[in-house]
This record gives sequence, structure tokens and C-alpha cells, in this order.
Amino acid sequence: KAGVTQTPRYLIKTRGQQVTLSCSPISGHRSVSWYQQTPGQGLQFLFEYFSETQRNKGNFPGRFSGRQFSNSRSEMNVSTLELGDSALYLCASALQGEAFFGQGTRLTVV
Amino acid sequence: AQRVTQPEKLLSVFKGAPVELKCNYSYSGSPELFWYVQYSRQRLQLLLRHISRESIKGFTADLNKGETSFHLKKPFAQEEDSAMYYCALMWGGYQKVTFGTGTKLQVIP
Repeated sequence: KAGVTQTPRYLIKTRGQQVTLSCSPISGHRSVSWYQQTPGQGLQFLFEYFSETQRNKGNFPGRFSGRQFSNSRSEMNVSTLELGDSALYLCASALQGEAFFGQGTRLTVV
Repeated sequence: AQRVTQPEKLLSVFKGAPVELKCNYSYSGSPELFWYVQYSRQRLQLLLRHISRESIKGFTADLNKGETSFHLKKPFAQEEDSAMYYCALMWGGYQKVTFGTGTKLQVIP
């Protein structure tokens, strides 16, 4: 069974631009969560989707948004990028309480 | 509010020494607790969950509701244990999860 797939693996953007990250969950998993991982802050929860509906949201500004499609694939969008948005963005799909993580998208904002 | 605290950002131990990674949680309901591990250049993955009461790679973790702790322990550290460890609290009927900020374990040969 294929794992959680995130694309692209690496991105370099300039301040003010916007970016879209993609996540394909494990087949059959309907819950998809997004996290921001940085050396200083660790793992921070962004939001979680289940059956195309956002169920939970972390404490991030409105520049961070997401959506989920009918096939459970999810996208995350960050608008008006700031230098501080540079991080590894992780997606996880979950089933029966266990989260399975993708390898992440490394976003660098210059 | 639900909170998971991992007080140590970095824990360095010598090979063969005992390891204890601390995790404390704050949750008024019945918690489900997990430990996740991230080895270098690998994805974050589940190490163990308290309800299974398993020992994975020699690691164990006991839920202490009185002290609201879920410390991860191993009697003899191995070099391959060097990794980033995250404690996680699942609540709201498996619908919500809160991660700690992580502890980097460094095993010195």
C-alpha cells in the first residue's frame, strides 16, 4: 500500500508570493492533517480535514488555508509568504487514531 | 486547554546508558497517548501507543494519570536510537491531536 505522498518535495519562493502544497493520503484514509515543523517550534498543527470538511484548525493566520477533495487528496495554500513561513510542511492521514506522515515539503522563502 | 509538554529539547546519553524522554500532558478527559519518532532523513512514524502496552525497539512508556505523564524509557540506549521524538495526545474521540515540541535524542558512541 502506498504511503502518504507530498508534492513537491522542495520549493523556493520569494516574499509576497503564494504557494500550494499537495498531499495524497493512504488509500481509504479520509482524515488529512497538516503540520508545520521548524527547529525552534517543533511540530505545530495547522488544520485537519475529513470528508472535504475542515474539522479542526490550529492557531495560524488566515494566510494559511486548505481544502480536501472528494478523493481525500488535500491541498494547503499559503498566501503573501513571509520569511518566517520557511519550514517543513508535513501532511498526515489517519485511520483509527494512528497518523501516517508524508516526507514533507521543504518550503524556503527568500 | 489540551497541552503536551516535552521539557527537554535535546537529550544526550552514552551508548548503553538508560534513556528517559519526558512527556507531560494536560487533558481533563481520558487521554490516548502516543510516541512518534523521526530518524534522520526519514518520515515521522508511530513508535508506540499507550493502549497497546507494547515494547517497540526496546522502548516502553507507561501512562501515569496521577502525574499526567507518559515518559518514554529504554534501559540501554543504542546509537540507532538517535532521532527526534514527539509525544502526542489524541482526544475528542480520535478527532484531534496535539503534539509536543519534540526532544532530540543523541546517543554518544
